[in-house]
Amino acid sequence: EAQVTQNPRYLITVTGKKLTVTCSQNMNHEYMSWYRQDPGLGLRQIYYSMNVEVTDKGDVPEGYKVSRKEKRNFPLILESPSPNQTSLYFCASSPGQGRTQYFGPGTRLLVL
Amino acid sequence: GESVGLHLPTLSVQEGDNSIINCAYSNSASDYFIWYKQESGKGPQFIIDIRSNMDKRQGQRVTVLLNKTVKHLSLQIAATQPGDSAVYFCAENRPGGGNKLTFGTGTQLKVEL
Repeated sequence: EAQVTQNPRYLITVTGKKLTVTCSQNMNHEYMSWYRQDPGLGLRQIYYSMNVEVTDKGDVPEGYKVSRKEKRNFPLILESPSPNQTSLYFCASSPGQGRTQYFGPGTRLLVL
Repeated sequence: GESVGLHLPTLSVQEGDNSIINCAYSNSASDYFIWYKQESGKGPQFIIDIRSNMDKRQGQRVTVLLNKTVKHLSLQIAATQPGDSAVYFCAENRPGGGNKLTFGTGTQLKVEL
């Protein structure tokens, strides 16, 4: 089944403790992206990747890092999480620019 | 600033009626538009898309209309069913900029029995 998977689905952590949220897609898509979803603000893009080793900032990149060493994986890294990063995070992938993006199930993060 | 917005935050319809969800966009250079459905606890799910060289596209029970003159997008759902209850987002894709989608804040569709 073609899908985007994320892990973990739920995470509670404390301020300053580094964490990684993994994202993987099995559709051989070149493009991958991370979004956060907050009430009243909708979905906002954090980082995106056009292909392996090619990443760039989205609208709200501060406090986040990403890497794209393999085509199928695009982990989101929070080096020093803060409470304002409490949110619902979605990974998405797409065959390319100007094409539909397919979303994962989401990761709900709480930073205390 | 550039934005994608929605006219109504909540829409309630009777089962069997048609639903129309509206969306305004501000970037005239946007060339691709997508409607997503998001059910509680799930990720956005693709419904239908339309490119800027079209003004109408139909799918199964859904139709998207694009009016570039007034920068308006709508999603029509025929014979609305309880399973259609969800939040619906429109998104625009601007050329260049890495395939970034800009989303509206969403419309909650409630189907009443």
